Amino acid sequence: DVKVTQSSRYLVKRTGEKVFLECVQDMDHENMFWYRQDPGLGLRLIYFSYDVKMKEKGDIPEGYSVSREKKERFSLILESASTNQTSMYLCASSLDRNPIFEQYFGPGTRLTVT
Amino acid sequence: SQQGEEDPQALSIQEGENATMNCSYKTSINNLQWYRQNSGRGLVHLILIRSNEREKHSGRLRVTLDTSKKSSSLLITASRAADTASYFCGLDYKLSFGAGTTVTVRA
Repeated sequence: DVKVTQSSRYLVKRTGEKVFLECVQDMDHENMFWYRQDPGLGLRLIYFSYDVKMKEKGDIPEGYSVSREKKERFSLILESASTNQTSMYLCASSLDRNPIFEQYFGPGTRLTVT
Repeated sequence: SQQGEEDPQALSIQEGENATMNCSYKTSINNLQWYRQNSGRGLVHLILIRSNEREKHSGRLRVTLDTSKKSSSLLITASRAADTASYFCGLDYKLSFGAGTTVTVRA
């Protein structure tokens, strides 16, 4: 079974803080993704990575950066947290992108920025 | 990238009945995936259908894809209480779901 784990289930941070969200997958998947999920807005892609040290912007990358130093780990960084970044953050991984394979999601991190 | 739009927003059915929900999109795609989300198990993949396929089955699930109408449907047959969840469609590589269809199965 593929397992995708995220470092925290719940996180509360103050405005302006630098926030790190960690994601680890144990199935040697090439691709990893960071999404945020908001009521009424669905799931939106922030960044994805198709290889170590490779990254591409998703639909809403502003205010975020990512790091993938090892194949199994993909980090999302909020450089200076703001209240509009309060959201559920979901990490996912998939085997490859050509052809496309299903994505396996972690349990999510509910981030509150006060 | 585009988001799939699920319809209806909510659905309430009796246990044993079938549930049908739809996904529409605007521009051509290579594949479409359906996912389910509930509080217990998070987001779980259900079925992937590629643009050259018209129908796929997986257990009690049937997915159709009509590329001419830019739409897909998910049918759950003989529903159970455990099917209570939100269902989302994701497009191509970047997924990006809409708000989903919330299905409630009544005992």
